[in-house]
Amino acid sequence: QQQVKQSPQSLIVQKGGIPIINCAYENTAFDYFPWYQQFPGKGPALLIAIRPDVSEKKEGRFTISFNKSAKQFSLHIMDSQPGDSATYFCAANRLDGSSNTGKLIFGQGTTLQVKP
Amino acid sequence: EAQVTQNPRYLITVTGKKLTVTCSQNMNHEYMSWYRQDPGLGLRQIYYSMNVEVTDKGDVPEGYKVSRKEKRNFPLILESPSPNQTSLYFCGTKKSSYNEQFFGPGTRLTVL
Repeated sequence: QQQVKQSPQSLIVQKGGIPIINCAYENTAFDYFPWYQQFPGKGPALLIAIRPDVSEKKEGRFTISFNKSAKQFSLHIMDSQPGDSATYFCAANRLDGSSNTGKLIFGQGTTLQVKP
Repeated sequence: EAQVTQNPRYLITVTGKKLTVTCSQNMNHEYMSWYRQDPGLGLRQIYYSMNVEVTDKGDVPEGYKVSRKEKRNFPLILESPSPNQTSLYFCGTKKSSYNEQFFGPGTRLTVL
């Protein structure tokens, strides 16, 4: 119930394509859904995040679509570029009991390759 | 410059030889945590700390210890490493529950 399931595991698109990465969760107590981008040899970095009171958030070429009733959210990358080649992780935030730590539960990751 | 540093970045060791991976942040964040990243499993939390002298187990704490004696430092200790602890480790830090989490550059550990 605390898991976040991410798919696909890997994705290859041509430059200009629109890769879509999907995540699903079970726990309705999750209340913050960030996406992280990780380049080889680096730590993950926050890319974009959404709260469940909105259905879509856009930042530049990156868009999160959120479907609260289906408990799913997805990342769309418009006009993808070779520089977008990286591993992407979705995550969900839950309050950890009474401690209010806001623990992140990560998906399994998607390795994206954008071909020139 | 705001940053999270980890040392060492790469480490090859043998089973049973105690080791410590250090993590330090200069952002004055209360919350720090350790994750391990394994293929197909994403990042899984090992331990976290809400403030100095306050630590608690994450999802995969077995075989690890931590301490938080100073706000800026959160070392990860492997008392008796085993090959199943071969992984990529990340230290994370954030201000509070819903703030952005910042990650260090990672430590790639191999236990032979």
